[in-house]
Formats: sequence, C-alpha cells, structure tokens
Amino acid sequence: DVKVTQSSRYLVKRTGEKVFLECVQDMDHENMFWYRQDPGLGLRLIYFSYDVKMKEKGDIPEGYSVSREKKERFSLILESASTNQTSMYLCASTLRGSRNSPLHFGNGTRLTVT
Amino acid sequence: GQNIDQPTEMTATEGAIVQINCTYQTSGFNGLFWYQQHAGEAPTFLSYNVLDGLEEKGRFSSFLSRSKGYSYLLLKELQMKDSASYLCALLGEAAGNKLTFGGGTRVLVKP
Repeated sequence: DVKVTQSSRYLVKRTGEKVFLECVQDMDHENMFWYRQDPGLGLRLIYFSYDVKMKEKGDIPEGYSVSREKKERFSLILESASTNQTSMYLCASTLRGSRNSPLHFGNGTRLTVT
Repeated sequence: GQNIDQPTEMTATEGAIVQINCTYQTSGFNGLFWYQQHAGEAPTFLSYNVLDGLEEKGRFSSFLSRSKGYSYLLLKELQMKDSASYLCALLGEAAGNKLTFGGGTRVLVKP
C-alpha cells in the first residue's frame, strides 16, 4: 500500500515565522502535490512537482515555496507565515504518465497561525 | 481554467440511494475522479471515468457525460459509515497529472 506521510498532524506558529511542512512517500512516485483545504473552498492546489528539482505553481502559490531535492520528499515552505495561511494542508503523490493513477493523500497537517 | 460545481450538502436515509451531481466547465480534461473524505481524514479514491458511461464498483457507481459536462456518483444501500464528503475532481491534460477539485458534497446518512 502507498504511504504518504506528513511530518506533523497539528502545528501552531506565530505570524512572521518561517514554517516547513514535510511530506514523504514510499512508492517511488514522480508526481507530488501540496493542497490546502478550507471550508467552503474545497481543495486548492498550491504547488506540484513532477520530478526531482522540478516545481510548478498551482492555483494559489502566493506566500508559499517548495523544495524537491529527493524523489520521495516534497517540502512546503511558508517564508513568513500569516493568519490567512491557517488551514489544513494535504500532500499527495501519484505515478507519472498513468492517466488513471489516483492521488494518494497524506493525513494532513492542520496549521494554525496566530 | 476549470469550474466545478457540486451541491454543498445532501441528506439521505440508511438503505436508500443517493446521487451526487457534478457539473463542470473546462476546455479539456483527461478524466474525472471521485474521492471520499471522512471528517478529519485524508481523501480516499473511489472511482475514475475517462470515457462516457457508467463505472460500477460494488455499492458505488460513477457516470460521465462529456458532451453534457456532467458526472454523478451513485451510492446504493446507504450505510451510516457513508456519511462523508464526496469530492469531484478533473484530471488536467498538461504534464504532472494535476487534479482540480470541486468544493465537495457533504452527505449525511440518517437511520
């Protein structure tokens, strides 16, 4: 079974702090994604990566950056956390080139910025 | 861009059938996914349609009509554990298998 692991289930950070959200998958998937989920807005794509050191902006990249130094790890970085970044963050991965390969999600990190 | 619409909430009775509709406007897509998400948990894959028609998986079926810009998820013989949010998502055509999600439909199953 595919396992996508997010390092923290809950995080509380202060405004202006630099925040790292880590995600690791164990199935050698090429594609990895970061989404945030907010009530009434659904899942929105922040950034994705389809190979090591490759990154693409999603629909809401502002205020975020990412790092993909190794195939299994995809990090989301909030350079200077703000209260409007309080949200549930979900990491996902999938095989490249397989059109019906579903996304496999981690359990999420609930981030609160105070 | 892509615009995906689902009803916000539905209520149904245990043992009944519920149909969750998803309509979309898009310039093109490779396929349509349905995910289930229980409160506080990650979404899990339910079904995938690439061609028009019905895909059946046990108590769950999903239908796609590309010409009508429409899909539905059908849940039969509802059980209490089916109370969850159901997410419709379109798979983009560009590299990276990018999925764009609708807002989700919360289904409440009552005894």
